[in-house]
Amino acid sequence: QSVLTQPPSASGTPGQRVTISCSGSRSNIGSNSVNWYQHLPGMAPKLLIYNDVQRPSGVPDRFSGSKSGTSASLAISGLQSEDETDYYCAAWDDTLKGVIFGGGTKLTVL
Amino acid sequence: EVLLVESGGGLEQPGGSLRLSCAASGFTFRSYAMSWVRRAPGKGLEWVSVMSGGGETTYYAASVKGRFTISRDNSKNTLYLQMDSLRVEDTAVYYCARMVVPASMFWGTSWFDPWGQGTLVTVSS
Repeated sequence: QSVLTQPPSASGTPGQRVTISCSGSRSNIGSNSVNWYQHLPGMAPKLLIYNDVQRPSGVPDRFSGSKSGTSASLAISGLQSEDETDYYCAAWDDTLKGVIFGGGTKLTVL
Repeated sequence: EVLLVESGGGLEQPGGSLRLSCAASGFTFRSYAMSWVRRAPGKGLEWVSVMSGGGETTYYAASVKGRFTISRDNSKNTLYLQMDSLRVEDTAVYYCARMVVPASMFWGTSWFDPWGQGTLVTVSS
């Protein structure tokens, strides 16, 4: 069972905006920054968002992150078929002394 | 170009050992913490271990502590994961990832970028 809680699935139609939530606690999201990764099985995972809201170069501005208290969200606007894959939030946990991932959200583009 | 290439995966019996390697290039290896992350079939990403750039600090997930050992050779730009007392539940694709820690040793602001393509470890009798 993951310490960070994500919905197992999300969906939207092309062009829509979808959000994926990530809920944690004071020892992880509440104290440290949240990062988001995109992972298509068989490929290398890819950094999408770091430090809660920062976007690495090369990541489209359709992807955005936010955080409030012990929860964070990833928003994807202008949904495209290529966005159909798995998304994970992650944060350092001060109690566990390690990185924790959410259980992952499988995004389906209808 | 920053590149991470894992190797050493394969089929091993429960109770056996494997040693994974991750060859790094395109950046100053000793300046970065490095980590191992795995993804078991049908499951999500799970962090395994991290080692600081100079090797002074290591952390492990509870699921592998006491069985796995992370190490690095900065002269060879290579990260290792020694996996002992393997269990069926260790079956996964293992990825190495560079860990960016912008505030020296303040792990709370860190992130993984980039990641390697992974190496498959299968533990089965």
